[in-house]
Amino acid sequence: EADIYQTPRYLVIGTGKKITLECSQTMGHDKMYWYQQDPGMELHLIHYSYGVNSTEKGDLSSESTVSRIRTEHFPLTLESARPSHTSQYLCASSDGGKGPNEKLFFGSGTQLSVL
Amino acid sequence: LAKTTQPISMDSYEGQEVNITCSHNNIATNDYITWYQQFPSQGPRFIIQGYKTKVTNEVASLFIPADRKSSTLSLPRVSLSDTAVYYCLVGDGSSGTYKYIFGTGTRLKVLA
Repeated sequence: EADIYQTPRYLVIGTGKKITLECSQTMGHDKMYWYQQDPGMELHLIHYSYGVNSTEKGDLSSESTVSRIRTEHFPLTLESARPSHTSQYLCASSDGGKGPNEKLFFGSGTQLSVL
Repeated sequence: LAKTTQPISMDSYEGQEVNITCSHNNIATNDYITWYQQFPSQGPRFIIQGYKTKVTNEVASLFIPADRKSSTLSLPRVSLSDTAVYYCLVGDGSSGTYKYIFGTGTRLKVLA
């Protein structure tokens, strides 16, 4: 079973607040991802990292930022939350490096509600 | 960019075999096909992965024809707990990196 953890599980916050969503994995995976998913909709890749000090933006534009100072930790930050940021945020890590047969392991997600 | 097309939704009854087909006409030579399952308010979970012909594990089977332009996930004897969204993905190696692109998936509803 995959060991990837996201906290908090649920977060309700007011507009303008700065928030950080935590994601940690204990599998030693180099590649990590953040996806955003609205209810009943598809997952959209917003950030990814191929290792320490490596971060890239995904296919969906996002006002969030990420950092990768340690292999196991890939936090996502919103400097000023807005109602449009309300969504589920899913973190994942990969076991395949740059190979074609990689598998993604997902956390349970953070459900963010901005009032 | 290798994209996939799946039916939006399917209904089935308990005990039946369910087959979900995915089209991926632009699959690249080195791409693998991977299926994930997602329950509400959870992250997707890996089900099965294959490159060609047939792959079987304790959960499902994956059938891939020789041209690899499609694949079929087969779930034997489904139960109510198999109600979920099923995603078909192919590796996106077009830019030298592997960013998995999730489509809308197939929403499977298993009825009693």
